[in-house]
Amino acid sequence: EAGVTQSPTHLIKTRGQQATLRCSPISGHTSVYWYQQALGLGLQFLLWYDEGEERNRGNFPPRFSGRQFPNYSSELNVNALELEDSALYLCASSLTGAQLRQPQHFGDGTRLSIL
Amino acid sequence: AQSVTQLGSHVSVSEGALVLLRCNYSSSVPPYLFWYVQYPNQGLQLLLKYTTGATLVKGINGFEAEFKKSETSFHLTKPSAHMSDAAEYFCAVSPYGGATNKLIFGTGTLLAVQP
Repeated sequence: EAGVTQSPTHLIKTRGQQATLRCSPISGHTSVYWYQQALGLGLQFLLWYDEGEERNRGNFPPRFSGRQFPNYSSELNVNALELEDSALYLCASSLTGAQLRQPQHFGDGTRLSIL
Repeated sequence: AQSVTQLGSHVSVSEGALVLLRCNYSSSVPPYLFWYVQYPNQGLQLLLKYTTGATLVKGINGFEAEFKKSETSFHLTKPSAHMSDAAEYFCAVSPYGGATNKLIFGTGTLLAVQP
């Protein structure tokens, strides 16, 4: 069974640009989560999508946004990139979020570097 | 607010020695607790989870953890360390209540295994 896949593996951008990160969940999983792992800040929850809807977001500015497609894959968009956005962005998926607190399974992440 | 605290950002053990990684949680209601492992340049892999029921939880790779309500702890152990166990370990709690499915992570413990 394929795990959570993320693309690209690495992404290099400059300040002010926009970045798009992609995630495909495990087959049968309808919930997708995004986390940021920045140096010195640990793992921070960004967004949760379930059945195409944004269900919850963490304490991040509106320039962090995303969406979930009908096939349950997801995109994370970061606008007006800032230096502090440099981080590993991890996507996770789980069975339906209607049953809260399902175990989440993670991809290998996208390393976003802002120059 | 619910949280987890991992004592010891770095732990070093000899190959074959006991591994003990500490995690304490803060929650007024029984939490769901997880341990994840992160190898270099990879995402998070679920080691084990505690939801309800048996307080001693067995996971993958010979790891286990015991939920102790009286001590608000969920320490991770392995009887005999292998070189391949060298990685960063994260304890996480899934908050109870509210329409959220996010994980709240501890700051991580980097495990080094000496030959």
